[in-house]
Amino acid sequence: AQKITQTQPGMFVQEKEAVTLDCTYDTSDPSYGLFWYKQPSSGEMIFLIYQGSYDQQNATEGRYSLNFQKARKSANLVISASQLGDSAMYFCAMREPLNMRFGAGTRLTVKP
Amino acid sequence: NAGVTQTPKFQVLKTGQSMTLQCAQDMNHEYMSWYRQDPGMGLRLIHYSVGAGITDQGEVPNGYNVSRSTTEDFPLRLLSAAPSQTSVYFCASSYGTGNNSPLHFGNGTRLTVT
Repeated sequence: AQKITQTQPGMFVQEKEAVTLDCTYDTSDPSYGLFWYKQPSSGEMIFLIYQGSYDQQNATEGRYSLNFQKARKSANLVISASQLGDSAMYFCAMREPLNMRFGAGTRLTVKP
Repeated sequence: NAGVTQTPKFQVLKTGQSMTLQCAQDMNHEYMSWYRQDPGMGLRLIHYSVGAGITDQGEVPNGYNVSRSTTEDFPLRLLSAAPSQTSVYFCASSYGTGNNSPLHFGNGTRLTVT
């Protein structure tokens, strides 16, 4: 089965600085989709960004970008100009046809 | 835009009790699913459905039942609650099952079994 690994249980970043959250994945399928979700302390799951395995360019959505390195099977989330509201759990996920498989998550804390 | 609506938000059960977690979506999504979230384990798939009348098991189906009588509704039933089912439960839906289909989540149900 496909596997998602997030090796950073917790991260700290200073407000207004950039931060990279790591994600590696394991799959033998040539076609796949990678997603990042944010879970604030209120508990809801918020979809942030998507990257397709055949996309030539890294995905970007506002202050979020995805550093996609296909050969290394990594899909790191970069948050630029961190804000206090970015403090949350962040999950990397890979879409299978009948499932979305999640990593264990990284808790990001933004310091003022 | 209601999206995915889950009820209740919180629930406390005693061991052996049964209950139903409700989930409804108004986006006409064919795919619906239930996940449980436990610390350090991310989210794991319990059951899913690809359309009305069709359901199937995910990674951790034991102790749970589902049905899908309409496109909109996908309730999750706990048959005889156990402390191991203490978790946060999420209902999620997507337009299709393609690799580019994000899941849209409800706000979750925090269940405690004593």
